[in-house]
Amino acid sequence: EIVLTQSPGTLSLSPGEGATLSCRASQSIGSRSVAWYRQIPGQAPSLLIYDASRRATGIPDRFSGSGSGTDFTLTISRLDPEDFAVYFCHQYGSSPWTFGHGTKVEIK
Amino acid sequence: QVQLHQWGAGLLKPSETLSLTCGASGGSFTHYFWSWIRQFPGKGLEWIGEINHAGVTNYNPSLESRVTISVDMSRHQFSLNLTSLTAADTAVYYCARDLLNFASGWPFGNWGQGTLVTVSS
Repeated sequence: EIVLTQSPGTLSLSPGEGATLSCRASQSIGSRSVAWYRQIPGQAPSLLIYDASRRATGIPDRFSGSGSGTDFTLTISRLDPEDFAVYFCHQYGSSPWTFGHGTKVEIK
Repeated sequence: QVQLHQWGAGLLKPSETLSLTCGASGGSFTHYFWSWIRQFPGKGLEWIGEINHAGVTNYNPSLESRVTISVDMSRHQFSLNLTSLTAADTAVYYCARDLLNFASGWPFGNWGQGTLVTVSS
C-alpha cells in the first residue's frame, strides 16, 4: 500500500499568515489522485482539494493544491480562524486508499 | 446535497462483532461507492472498505478477513460488520460517499457524523 508522510506535524501560525503543508508518498500516485481534508475538532473531515489541485465545491480560493508523482502541497494563503484545524492528505490512486497522519495548524 | 446518518452500538466487548448502518438521504444512491473509514484515538485514519449500489465490494486487505459490508438499495442504506473485535479496533467509525460516481477511486465528498466504538471488557 502507498504510505503518505505529512510534514510538519504541527504548524504554529497567526491568523492572516500563510501555511504550506507537505504530503510525500512512498510511490508515485497516478493521475494526481490526491485529496486534502480539513478536520475541525469534533467533526468529520471535510474535503478541500481533490485531483491534487481542484477545489471542492464552496471552498474559497485561499486554499490551493499542487504537486505530482510523490510530492504534494496544500497552501493556505491567509489563515482564517476556522482554518486552525488538522489537515489530512489522502490518495485514491491505488487501493487500499490511504491517508497521511495529519498536520495540525495551531494558533501561535 | 446528500446527507449521511449512521447508527449502531458504541460499547462492545473483545471478540464481539461491530455492526453499524449508514443511511443516505437527499441525493443519488445509485452508481456511487460508499465507504467505511475509521479514525483511531491518535487521530490516524484508515479506510475499511467500500460498496456500490449493486453490491460490488472492495476491502482493505488488512481487515478483509474480518469485514463484511452490505447494501440495502431499497432503503438507501449500507452496513458494516467487523468481527473478532479487540481493543485495537477502538475508534470513531465514519461512513462516507465518493465525490463522483460510476467508478471507484474518488475522494470522499460526504461524511456521516461518526460513531465512537469502544472495545473494552
